Amino acid sequence: EPEVTQTPSHQVTQMGQEVILRCVPISNHLYFYWYRQILGQKVEFLVSFYNNEISEKSEIFDDQFSVERPDGSNFTLKIRSTKLEDSAMYFCASRPDSQQETQYFGPGTRLLVL
Amino acid sequence: QKEVEQNSGPLSVPEGAIASLNCTYSDRGSQSFFWYRQYSGKSPELIMFIYSNGDKEDGRFTAQLNKASQYVSLLIRDSQPSDSATYLCAVRGDSNYQLIWGAGTKLIIKP
Repeated sequence: EPEVTQTPSHQVTQMGQEVILRCVPISNHLYFYWYRQILGQKVEFLVSFYNNEISEKSEIFDDQFSVERPDGSNFTLKIRSTKLEDSAMYFCASRPDSQQETQYFGPGTRLLVL
Repeated sequence: QKEVEQNSGPLSVPEGAIASLNCTYSDRGSQSFFWYRQYSGKSPELIMFIYSNGDKEDGRFTAQLNKASQYVSLLIRDSQPSDSATYLCAVRGDSNYQLIWGAGTKLIIKP
């Protein structure tokens, strides 16, 4: 069964450094999402992406964040200058056009900013 | 501020019994309501969604929606130890994309 994959599974970085989190959505899916979950807290929506552009973003998704679909398979989240409070689990999700309500989540990348 | 509220638990239920999980939401314009299960350290996994008032059943799971009272619940019949997890309620409003999430209820099924 196809699944969303994410790399790396864990990333440790120094405050102020740039990180790129990578996701490979399921191949026929058209809608892509990034969420984050700080340890012990709620899942928070960051951004949705469709037709090569951001369709919606939350207040969290400020100028430090960007998303890109650099080729036909990858979907990336870049954090330009990481802060301690960016430490969280980052989940990518995707869905096909035909299933508006079903998002398929990847396993997540655990980011630790020191 | 759109909010989704859940009792954090833990909710302890004997194996074989019915587990009842509840969620309330603040935005009356909310359109779709979701229950996800999340095991520790893992990603959320969709159990079911509902958008009409009433009950929706899928195997051992039943979602119940009451838009007038702004609550949605999940019943798990014949609870199994493998059902032990955190159950997340999520709500989609008039936006097409953004889900608003509750903090989750930790469910423990005791053998």
